Amino acid sequence: AQTVTQSQPEMSVQEAETVTLSCTYDTSESDYYLFWYKQPPSRQMILVIRQEAYKQQNATENRFSVNFQKAAKSFSLKISDSQLGDAAMYFCAYRRKQGGSEKLVFGKGTKLTVNP
Amino acid sequence: DAMVIQNPRYQVTQFGKPVTLSCSQTLNHNVMYWYQQKSSQAPKLLFHYYDKDFNNEADTPDNFQSRRPNTSFCFLDIRSPGLGDAAMYLCATSSTGTGYYIQYFGAGTRLSVL
Repeated sequence: AQTVTQSQPEMSVQEAETVTLSCTYDTSESDYYLFWYKQPPSRQMILVIRQEAYKQQNATENRFSVNFQKAAKSFSLKISDSQLGDAAMYFCAYRRKQGGSEKLVFGKGTKLTVNP
Repeated sequence: DAMVIQNPRYQVTQFGKPVTLSCSQTLNHNVMYWYQQKSSQAPKLLFHYYDKDFNNEADTPDNFQSRRPNTSFCFLDIRSPGLGDAAMYLCATSSTGTGYYIQYFGAGTRLSVL
């Protein structure tokens, strides 16, 4: 079974600084999807960024980028120029590529605090 | 805007009193999921519907049931809530017609059991 590990229960960053959230996963599949979801307090979970395993290029979405190391099974999220609105719980998630409704396997999350 | 809507946002029920949570979506997605999320934990999948086909997770208690009368709506029924069922319940949708099978989440219903 696939597992996702987020080793940092909590992280903090100063506004405008850069922070990196770690995620490792375990799978025997060769092709799959990886996601970072953001869950602000009392608000819905939203997708931050996604990566397909077969794509070597790291995904980027504005201030958010990933460092995808397939051999090491590592998928870290870098947030540049951190803003107060980035404060949230961040979940790393894995999904098999096969199948139509495969579930997401979530890590336990990292709570990010942004200090003004 | 197309979205996933959960009602109510907050639900209080009594121990053992049946409760129903609802989810609707305007995305026309064919897959709908129900997750349970306890404080500071990852969401835990309870079950999902792939079109009309119900798929239960092996460790979901029998106390939890679901109904999907049409594409847009899905309900979570808790037949006899216990104190341990107090949690945030998240509904999500996805479409097998898209490349990434991204899941879109509602804002959740926070259930309290007294």
